[in-house]
Amino acid sequence: DTEVTQTPKHLVMGMTNKKSLKCEQHMGHRAMYWYKQKAKKPPELMFVYSYEKLSINESVPSRFSPECPNSSLLNLHLHALQPEDSALYLCASSQDRTGLNGYTFGSGTRLTVV
Amino acid sequence: GQQLNQSPQSMFIQEGEDVSMNCTSSSIFNTWLWYKQDPGEGPVLLIALYKAGELTSNGRLTAQFGITRKDSFLNISASIPSDVGIYFCAGPPNSNYQLIWGAGTKLIIKP
Repeated sequence: DTEVTQTPKHLVMGMTNKKSLKCEQHMGHRAMYWYKQKAKKPPELMFVYSYEKLSINESVPSRFSPECPNSSLLNLHLHALQPEDSALYLCASSQDRTGLNGYTFGSGTRLTVV
Repeated sequence: GQQLNQSPQSMFIQEGEDVSMNCTSSSIFNTWLWYKQDPGEGPVLLIALYKAGELTSNGRLTAQFGITRKDSFLNISASIPSDVGIYFCAGPPNSNYQLIWGAGTKLIIKP
């Protein structure tokens, strides 16, 4: 299995809703990432988990809350989002957090906040 | 901070043409990664480069790690319609091992 699987593929949520994005990989990768990508821009790093511990938080607002239940799963909990948070949210994994062998990305969750 | 300059920003080409794009950095990189992103999908790693001067191919794609370690090139030969998409260069040079991304090159094939 050489894939990163993200669910849901699309999500529309109101500003008062609570929702979660899910990510799963079974490649034995020990680093997992959340990225946010706006249209026509490169991905922006949000969080890095290394060996299931949060190692980097790129000054992301607290309305985004990551969780790594085990080495294969990564969640992103969303609460009280703003319309400007609408974007493509990408999960990625790599063998370790150096990323020197490249990242494997999921297909993303297209989030629309209304 | 470190930045990557990727050019061109977009390219309109005829099917069958060869394509070239490049990335330059203000500082030395030890790794260059080239990704392609199709609409509505995540980026897919095309080629990874680890040594200055290295030339690596993946089918019709060829990438080179510049001798100065501050640039890299991606060439696509005999382009086909499925080559359309956005191509990103990236490198993991900083102390936090975070990927630094170029702004992307959008490839569009003229009908």
